[in-house]
Amino acid sequence: DSGVTQTPKHLITATGQRVTLRCSPRSGDLSVYWYQQSLDQGLQFLIQYYNGEERAKGNILERFSAQQFPDLHSELNLSSLELGDSALYFCASSVPTSGGATDTQYFGPGTRLTVL
Amino acid sequence: AQTVTQSQPEMSVQEAETVTLSCTYDTSENNYYLFWYKQPPSRQMILVIRQEAYKQQNATENRFSVNFQKAAKSFSLKISDSQLGDTAMYFCAFMEWEGSQGNLIFGKGTKLSVKP
Repeated sequence: DSGVTQTPKHLITATGQRVTLRCSPRSGDLSVYWYQQSLDQGLQFLIQYYNGEERAKGNILERFSAQQFPDLHSELNLSSLELGDSALYFCASSVPTSGGATDTQYFGPGTRLTVL
Repeated sequence: AQTVTQSQPEMSVQEAETVTLSCTYDTSENNYYLFWYKQPPSRQMILVIRQEAYKQQNATENRFSVNFQKAAKSFSLKISDSQLGDTAMYFCAFMEWEGSQGNLIFGKGTKLSVKP
């Protein structure tokens, strides 16, 4: 158990819908990262938050957004869902270092999203 | 942009034997981290081992060790005394040392099967 929790474990929805994935980082970790794992794209970085602020963006679609709350949990919002958004979505967190968050990332169990 | 290449899509090994998984990467940075993550059938991403680029000594964690060749940009993982529980996808990952962006860049993975 990494100490990172993600809910829900599975999510099945229809095209055009909107869903919210939730992540709670390990105690003391200020940074949260979101990754998408799909068969064709592999593991791709989506977005990083550090202590409530967006820190870096990767290959995140405009239909996707995220935020990190004062209690440091994070939510990833996916809207206008398409079949191709079906994937495993991971959240990871890391121990903060001075000036950033360049340290080992520990992953949650993931949320499997199926868009029908 | 940094890239990570795992040239072996699949490998198999007999229980109790040794296997080496290959990883090469491309970067212009001098300081960075390298990781191996394991993803068993449960889909959980589990940290196996980590290497800081400034360290000349190769990292080891019990049966897992790396061969880090900085000049060649090579980072292979050796698993000794392979066990059935080592059956998993193994991902090599790169992360910058400095700066606020701490996202991981993953290779496409190597599927390892340990046979009894």
